[in-house]
Amino acid sequence: DVKVTQSSRYLVKRTGEKVFLECVQDMDHENMFWYRQDPGLGLRLIYFSYDVKMKEKGDIPEGYSVSREKKERFSLILESASTNQTSMYLCASSSDPNNSPLHFGNGTRLTVT
Amino acid sequence: DAKTTQPPSMDCAEGRAANLPCNHSTISGNEYVYWYRQIHSQGPQYIIHGLKNNETNEMASLIITEDRKSSTLILPHATLRDTAVYYCIAAYNFNKFYFGSGTKLNVKP
Repeated sequence: DVKVTQSSRYLVKRTGEKVFLECVQDMDHENMFWYRQDPGLGLRLIYFSYDVKMKEKGDIPEGYSVSREKKERFSLILESASTNQTSMYLCASSSDPNNSPLHFGNGTRLTVT
Repeated sequence: DAKTTQPPSMDCAEGRAANLPCNHSTISGNEYVYWYRQIHSQGPQYIIHGLKNNETNEMASLIITEDRKSSTLILPHATLRDTAVYYCIAAYNFNKFYFGSGTKLNVKP
């Protein structure tokens, strides 16, 4: 089974802090994704990566950056956390960006105070 | 990517089959139908996907109509642990992977 592991289930940070969310997958997948999930808004794609050191903006990249130095690890960075970034963050991976399923981690619930 | 329409909630008796419908009338030829479920406070769990043919795996069956405008996810013997929100998605790639509101399935003893 594919395993996608997010480093924290719950995180509380203060406004203005730099926040790192880590994600590791164990299936040698090329493609990794970061989403946020908010009530009434569904999942929204923040960034994705098709290869090491490669990244593409999703629908809502503002206020975020990402890093993919190794194939198995994809990090989401909140440069200066704000209260409107309070959300559930979901990492996912897939073997192909088209026609193969996304496998999600269990999510990180981030609260910014 | 095609948008999907699902009923907001459904009930099912434990041990019975749960049939969850999804409408995707604007689906295009290269878009697959994916089903996921999400139990409260966890990440979405992949269940099954298909393009044209019916599919079955250890979790569920997926029935896609011949015109591909709708599909049904079947959980053959629902258990209490199947209580979750079920999402139907029609997509070609994950740049535009749209999770709508889904169907809240309540499995009752």
